[in-house]
Amino acid sequence: NAGVTQTPKFQVLKTGQSMTLQCAQDMNHNSMYWYRQDPGMGLRLIYYSASEGTTDKGEVPNGYNVSRLNKREFSLRLESAAPSQTSVYFCASSEIRDQPQHFGDGTRLSIL
Amino acid sequence: DQQVKQNSPSLSVQEGRISILNCDYTNSMFDYFLWYKKYPAEGPTFLISISSIKDKNEDGRFTVFLNKSAKHLSLHIVPSQPGDSAVYFCAASRTTDSWGKFQFGAGTQVVVTP
Repeated sequence: NAGVTQTPKFQVLKTGQSMTLQCAQDMNHNSMYWYRQDPGMGLRLIYYSASEGTTDKGEVPNGYNVSRLNKREFSLRLESAAPSQTSVYFCASSEIRDQPQHFGDGTRLSIL
Repeated sequence: DQQVKQNSPSLSVQEGRISILNCDYTNSMFDYFLWYKKYPAEGPTFLISISSIKDKNEDGRFTVFLNKSAKHLSLHIVPSQPGDSAVYFCAASRTTDSWGKFQFGAGTQVVVTP
């Protein structure tokens, strides 16, 4: 019972490089989310997907794009990485909106 | 502008005693609140929730209290156990129109000592 799986777990990039963070859930959940967590701050929503085929901006979407590939997978792309995007990224899913979300174990991303 | 605040970054408590974690919010439209627990190198896991129609919700050793007039919620853990050592996040949302977009506090690190 894997739940929410994120890959990779760690990544170091140089400024200007691009990268896609992968997320997959096996709980048949409709809604998926991407958050970032920075020191001294709570999780901040980057993008979310209410259901397959839909995506919407969250609180901090600048510099990111997302793709809801199918019901299981929701990827986050950094087109041109910047040091300010150094963070821990969490993917989450929920059966429907306003239900408690299930989180992956995170991707620790450093941009030099 | 942080709408959900956990003003105590850390809390140390003896095993067997009560842990009380506090969370304040500024948006009176929030009507659904959650607590998550997070161990190092893992994602947050859901602990307990409360909606604004209640002022208390219990689940085993965990109780959440909501004071709407004060815009304050608290999590009580009784008795505290070593396995409770973790970071605890509170989160809030407006279920009427914010579509499951939760605002999270910065977290409180709890250390339970023998």
